Amino acid sequence: KAGVTQTPRYLIKTRGQQVTLSCSPISGHRSVSWYQQTPGQGLQFLFEYFSETQRNKGNFPGRFSGRQFSNSRSEMNVSTLELGDSALYLCASRSTGIAEAFFGQGTRLTVV
Amino acid sequence: DAKTTQPPSMDCAEGRAANLPCNHSTISGNEYVYWYRQIHSQGPQYIIHGLKNNETNEMASLIITEDRKSSTLILPHATLRDTAVYYCIVRSHTGANSKLTFGKGITLSVRP
Repeated sequence: KAGVTQTPRYLIKTRGQQVTLSCSPISGHRSVSWYQQTPGQGLQFLFEYFSETQRNKGNFPGRFSGRQFSNSRSEMNVSTLELGDSALYLCASRSTGIAEAFFGQGTRLTVV
Repeated sequence: DAKTTQPPSMDCAEGRAANLPCNHSTISGNEYVYWYRQIHSQGPQYIIHGLKNNETNEMASLIITEDRKSSTLILPHATLRDTAVYYCIVRSHTGANSKLTFGKGITLSVRP
């Protein structure tokens, strides 16, 4: 069974640009969560989607948004990039009724 | 979710047991203890979770004290590949919230 796949693995963007990251969950998993990891703040929850609906949201500005498609694949978008948005963005999927989350390898975003 | 406290780091010799402590004194009755680990630059990996009974799987054992205010993750025969940051997380299974609140974790260094 394939794991959680995140694309791209690495990305370099310029301040002010916007970026879209993609996450394909494990087959059959309907919940997808996104996390941001930085050296200063550690791992922080961004949002969770379940059956195309945002179910939970972390404390991030509105520049961070996401969506989930009918096949459970998810994208997150960051608009008007700032230097502080440089981070490892992690996606996790879980199946209804199974508690543990499975993480992808992440997308390393660098904003210059 | 209840807060957890872990020492910042510890080390152990290869082949010996690694005992990683975690305090969660404000844990409530419906909250589970989870352990994840993150090897450098990879996504977090689920290890084990439990409510009040001790749990064991192919990776580790989880010992939860009777009052549930603390727990210990045991890696019975640590290898160099177990060098990672280990996160102890407390989470409720009720409701729709699957958010994981990561602290700073404990950095385990396994020495040859």
